[in-house]
Amino acid sequence: AQSVTQLGSHVSVSEGALVLLRCNYSSSVPPYLFWYVQYPNQGLQLLLKYTTGATLVKGINGFEAEFKKSETSFHLTKPSAHMSDAAEYFCAVSDRRNNDMRFGAGTRLTVKP
Amino acid sequence: NAGVTQTPKFQVLKTGQSMTLQCAQDMNHNSMYWYRQDPGMGLRLIYYSASEGTTDKGEVPNGYNVSRLNKREFSLRLESAAPSQTSVYFCASIPPPPARYNEQFFGPGTRLTVL
Repeated sequence: AQSVTQLGSHVSVSEGALVLLRCNYSSSVPPYLFWYVQYPNQGLQLLLKYTTGATLVKGINGFEAEFKKSETSFHLTKPSAHMSDAAEYFCAVSDRRNNDMRFGAGTRLTVKP
Repeated sequence: NAGVTQTPKFQVLKTGQSMTLQCAQDMNHNSMYWYRQDPGMGLRLIYYSASEGTTDKGEVPNGYNVSRLNKREFSLRLESAAPSQTSVYFCASIPPPPARYNEQFFGPGTRLTVL
């Protein structure tokens, strides 16, 4: 079964600084990879996803992620953090053969003024 | 479209009480899921239903039952609530293939406290 590890349960950056949230996955077959964002007291919202093709994926709100098969990674980045980016971020992996999706434990992003 | 809706939004139970969490989607999705979210543990799959009439256990099914009433509705039942079931519960659905590559659409969640 596939699994996801998110490095760092909490990340704090200054407004305007680079955001880097790390995600490593384990999967026996080429995976689908996702990043979701959760704002306080809300459900999860899709930021971006990798399925096939271009390994650099752009999402909403200026976020992007790069699928690196050799490193089994799918790190999320944003060049310049905004206060509104403060939220919890979840990386997820899905098996192409079925609908089984596994989530990481989440990374809480704090943005300091 | 309302998307995925969940009721209730909040609930407080006493140990041993029973209740049913309701989930409905109006997007004509086949697959539906129930997750629980606990601090530091991400989302863990309780049960899922690949299609109307079928249900399967996920990672943490003990203490729960589900019913896929029809294509739209997927309910989660706690027969005898325990404090360990205090959590936030999310329902999600996936569009049929080949659309959207397993992207899950989430409801707003139900915050459950068991005293």
